[in-house]
Amino acid sequence: GAVVSQHPSWVICKSGTSVKIECRSLDFQATTMFWYRQFPKQSLMLMATSNEGSKATYEQGVEKDKFLINHASLTLSTLTVTSAHPEDSSFYICSAAQPGGDNQPQHFGDGTRLSIL
Amino acid sequence: QKEVEQDPGPLSVPEGAIVSLNCTYSNSAFQYFMWYRQYSRKGPELLMYTYSSGNKEDGRFTAQVDKSSKYISLFIRDSQPSDSATYLCAMRRGAGKSTFGDGTTLTVKP
Repeated sequence: GAVVSQHPSWVICKSGTSVKIECRSLDFQATTMFWYRQFPKQSLMLMATSNEGSKATYEQGVEKDKFLINHASLTLSTLTVTSAHPEDSSFYICSAAQPGGDNQPQHFGDGTRLSIL
Repeated sequence: QKEVEQDPGPLSVPEGAIVSLNCTYSNSAFQYFMWYRQYSRKGPELLMYTYSSGNKEDGRFTAQVDKSSKYISLFIRDSQPSDSATYLCAMRRGAGKSTFGDGTTLTVKP
């Protein structure tokens, strides 16, 4: 089955640090990847849609300069949380859809738990 | 009003019970319907994926879509403690982003 790998799985860092999270599609090419944020006992909140070779599309209320997204290849998208602060602590999850038209579902990575001290 | 409504539960059942999970939605343009299972501190795992109305069965899982009522269901037969997780419904119109329910937390007690 389709596999999406996310790294790191857990990161703890000091306030003011920038943190990069990687999302890779291991056995398929993904022109589109999605980045979500999830708070405890809540559902997924879509942050942005990452498009290979072009700018990401951000959801309303998500700061583009705060959450930098780069989708430089068909198998890799990165999310960089710049100058992270404690309120950025959350569970970040990426997903990718297999190619093949509209009828392909999204597959998710295992998420990155970010803790800002 | 949310586009997708899902009862958050929690839902607790004894082992071996049949579990019924449901979502309702308001956007009649939705065509693709998914159910995901999410264990604590893990990403969602795709369980079922259906297009338009009808039923789909995979092992102990059955997904039903009733577009006329804007209602989807996931049934789990012979539930096991390992089925304890949060179940998310999701749906979308075509390519692109999906809209998710808030998830239902299920506990299957031995």
